[in-house]
Amino acid sequence: AQSVTQLDSQVPVFEEAPVELRCNYSSSVSVYLFWYVQYPNQGLQLLLKYLSGSTLVKGINGFEAEFNKSQTSFHLRKPSVHISDTAEYFCAGSTGTASKLTFGTGTRLQVTL
Amino acid sequence: DAGVIQSPRHEVTEMGQEVTLRCKPISGHDYLFWYRQTMMRGLELLIYFNNNVPIDDSGMPEDRFSAKMPNASFSTLKIQPSEPRDSAVYFCASGDSFNTEAFFGQGTRLTVV
Repeated sequence: AQSVTQLDSQVPVFEEAPVELRCNYSSSVSVYLFWYVQYPNQGLQLLLKYLSGSTLVKGINGFEAEFNKSQTSFHLRKPSVHISDTAEYFCAGSTGTASKLTFGTGTRLQVTL
Repeated sequence: DAGVIQSPRHEVTEMGQEVTLRCKPISGHDYLFWYRQTMMRGLELLIYFNNNVPIDDSGMPEDRFSAKMPNASFSTLKIQPSEPRDSAVYFCASGDSFNTEAFFGQGTRLTVV
């Protein structure tokens, strides 16, 4: 069974600083990986996804993630964060069945001035 | 398309009452998912449908929970009788066979008192 681990429950960062949110996965079969963002009292919105091909994936709002098979990681990065990036971020994976996702526990990104 | 539509957005009910949550998926999507989000357990997949047929309901916590999809544009999640530990945010999501991501509704915040 696939599992997704987000190592950090909270990440505080100052505005305009870079940030990395960590995600590791375990799977013995082909894997699709996703990052979703959840703003307060909202549903989940897709930031980016990795299916195959280039290991560096660019998403919306200036975020990017790198798929690293040897380290079984899919860390999310942004070179300069804004206050508006304050939200909960979820890493998720699936093993092929369309959109059946296994979610990590989430990382709360708190951006302050 | 208006996206995945869930109703109601908020529901407060007394223990023992029946609760019905509703979902309208994105038109043309053939997968529909029900997730539950709690602080303790994070995001859990309860059940998903493909072409209106339940495929995997192993995440449904108890027999008090039931879900139906009578047609391609409507699904319900019912809890009868409801208990305080059912308090959570319930998300509906839809997807299709050609795209791997799921599109989430705004969620229904259920409070059982």
